[in-house]
Amino acid sequence: GQQLNQSPQSMFIQEGEDVSMNCTSSSIFNTWLWYKQEPGEGPVLLIALYKAGELTSNGRLTAQFGITRKDSFLNISASIPSDVGIYFCAGQLHDTGNQFYFGTGTSLTVIP
Amino acid sequence: GAVVSQHPSWVICKSGTSVKIECRSLDFQATTMFWYRQFPKQSLMLMATSNEGSKATYEQGVEKDKFLINHASLTLSTLTVTSAHPEDSSFYICSGGGPSGVRQYFGPGTRLTVT
Repeated sequence: GQQLNQSPQSMFIQEGEDVSMNCTSSSIFNTWLWYKQEPGEGPVLLIALYKAGELTSNGRLTAQFGITRKDSFLNISASIPSDVGIYFCAGQLHDTGNQFYFGTGTSLTVIP
Repeated sequence: GAVVSQHPSWVICKSGTSVKIECRSLDFQATTMFWYRQFPKQSLMLMATSNEGSKATYEQGVEKDKFLINHASLTLSTLTVTSAHPEDSSFYICSGGGPSGVRQYFGPGTRLTVT
């Protein structure tokens, strides 16, 4: 399968701080997505990006689809305790069946 | 809208037995369904892609005879773990997508424990 590397692997931040994480791949993807997963649950879609260079916001979250189509980043502004969870990027290939390949994940802990 | 359910949400079985997990799209027709496996503190690993009415396509390294996938209708796909072993214990998650396939909706997952 495809390999998507996320960094950082984990983050411990104070409430109110901004967060930035990124995802890189050796492959080109047609779509980049960001998900949040909480323990024992399936991932929940946060933001979907459909073209290179696209910058999209969802509330305090902002994500960008890299120009090379091989990377993406996610920013969370003014973090709050409920932002705690594991954030995954995912790349989707349209040409070979729309499969999603997930990144290695970033675990976020927000300290009140 | 776009809800995917999984059943059971958790299951414990003995080594050597088979377990079936169901994935249903409740309010849309899922032309394609994907099955993932997630070990503790790790990412979701794609196991296979199933299209309604045809054989599933398995990712490299996934044994198709051990993980049987059936996508008999546009709202139901099943994953059967045959002759389960403790190393098959994992969190299994499905997702379903419509005809365009671009948007995928994830189920809540099934926790399998093999003793």
